[in-house]
Amino acid sequence: GAVVSQHPSWVICKSGTSVKIECRSLDFQATTMFWYRQFPKQSLMLMATSNEGSKATYEQGVEKDKFLINHASLTLSTLTVTSAHPEDSSFYICSAPVRQETQYFGPGTRLLVL
Amino acid sequence: QKEVEQDPGPLSVPEGAIVSLNCTYSNSAFQYFMWYRQYSRKGPELLMYTYSSGNKEDGRFTAQVDKSSKYISLFIRDSQPSDSATYLCAMVSGGSNYKLTFGKGTLLTVNP
Repeated sequence: GAVVSQHPSWVICKSGTSVKIECRSLDFQATTMFWYRQFPKQSLMLMATSNEGSKATYEQGVEKDKFLINHASLTLSTLTVTSAHPEDSSFYICSAPVRQETQYFGPGTRLLVL
Repeated sequence: QKEVEQDPGPLSVPEGAIVSLNCTYSNSAFQYFMWYRQYSRKGPELLMYTYSSGNKEDGRFTAQVDKSSKYISLFIRDSQPSDSATYLCAMVSGGSNYKLTFGKGTLLTVNP
């Protein structure tokens, strides 16, 4: 199947700092990518839809100023967690669809904010 | 009522057993149905997808969709300890909408 990569795979940062997570589609172009967060033993929660060349669409309750999304090219979307706090600690996963029935996920980024 | 219902388990079976995982849904607009497998601390891996009622087989895995009952299933034959993971059903409607709606996931353990 198609490959989606994420970088970094894990990050530890101090409270108040900003963290950038990259999501890349390695062998296909993705005009749309999705960002999720997942808490332990829970399902994925969609945070936002990343659109190449336009603003991201955020789900209800997700602070757009806190979770900045930039989809600068057809293969790269970035999520920046600004002024991170311990409650932002989570597993962040991106996905990219090839077709409606085939959407591929990255390996995830584990964020720990101290 | 949630759009997609999935029993979270946990489900524990002996090696070699047939496993049945199920989801029900309420939104008639869903047209594509997927099953993902997620190992602990990893991203979900697409196992199978289908878009019509009936069965689709891939090795030890069979995906079944009954649109009239709004019910989908994933069967795993000859289950192996390496199948131990969380299984998520996901659905998407047609048109230009690529947003997936997930079930909560079922945690499966296959005991050797």
